[in-house]
Amino acid sequence: ELKVEQNPLFLSMQEGKNYTIYCNYSTTSDRLYWYRQDPGKSLESLFVLLSNGAVKQEGRLMASLDTKARLSTLHITAAVHDLSATYFCASTNNAGNMLTFGGGTRLMVKP
Amino acid sequence: EADIYQTPRYLVIGTGKKITLECSQTMGHDKMYWYQQDPGMELHLIHYSYGVNSTEKGDLSSESTVSRIRTEHFPLTLESARPSHTSQYLCASSEWQGVREQFFGPGTRLTVL
Repeated sequence: ELKVEQNPLFLSMQEGKNYTIYCNYSTTSDRLYWYRQDPGKSLESLFVLLSNGAVKQEGRLMASLDTKARLSTLHITAAVHDLSATYFCASTNNAGNMLTFGGGTRLMVKP
Repeated sequence: EADIYQTPRYLVIGTGKKITLECSQTMGHDKMYWYQQDPGMELHLIHYSYGVNSTEKGDLSSESTVSRIRTEHFPLTLESARPSHTSQYLCASSEWQGVREQFFGPGTRLTVL
């Protein structure tokens, strides 16, 4: 059974600082998804990582995938208040049928 | 921009009522999903479908039922709502092959009194 774990679950940081969110998954998978959720809203797709070594960047967020370590990271550079949200990673089983989500990382960026 | 819609967006209803949450997508995706999420908590898959006339139960047991008569439509029904059903319900869809990224609708926030 695929398990996906994120850490930290809660992150409070100052504007301008850098930080990394980690996503570990338990079984072999070659793809990883990152989503953002604002309070009371739905999930918005951020990144889709489809192979080992994949790196994608959008603004102050950069995501990477290491399939051998079964690890994805979401790096935040020079955080701003607008990045405050909950971030979910998700992986698939080998058949790629279903997504299994991590528990989410609630990020609060303080001025 | 993903084209997946849910109605109603908010619903407050009394115990014992029958409700149907609507979900439609215009992307031609074969696969559709329903998730349940309490505020600030993780997502739980409750139903999914591979295509027309296909419905499966997800990881979290749910008293709701679903149907898939048309590709674009995947409604969820609660025959008798209870306060324990109070939650946010998110519908999603994805392609069968390729990237298989799931696109989410705006959600329905259900409150059962």
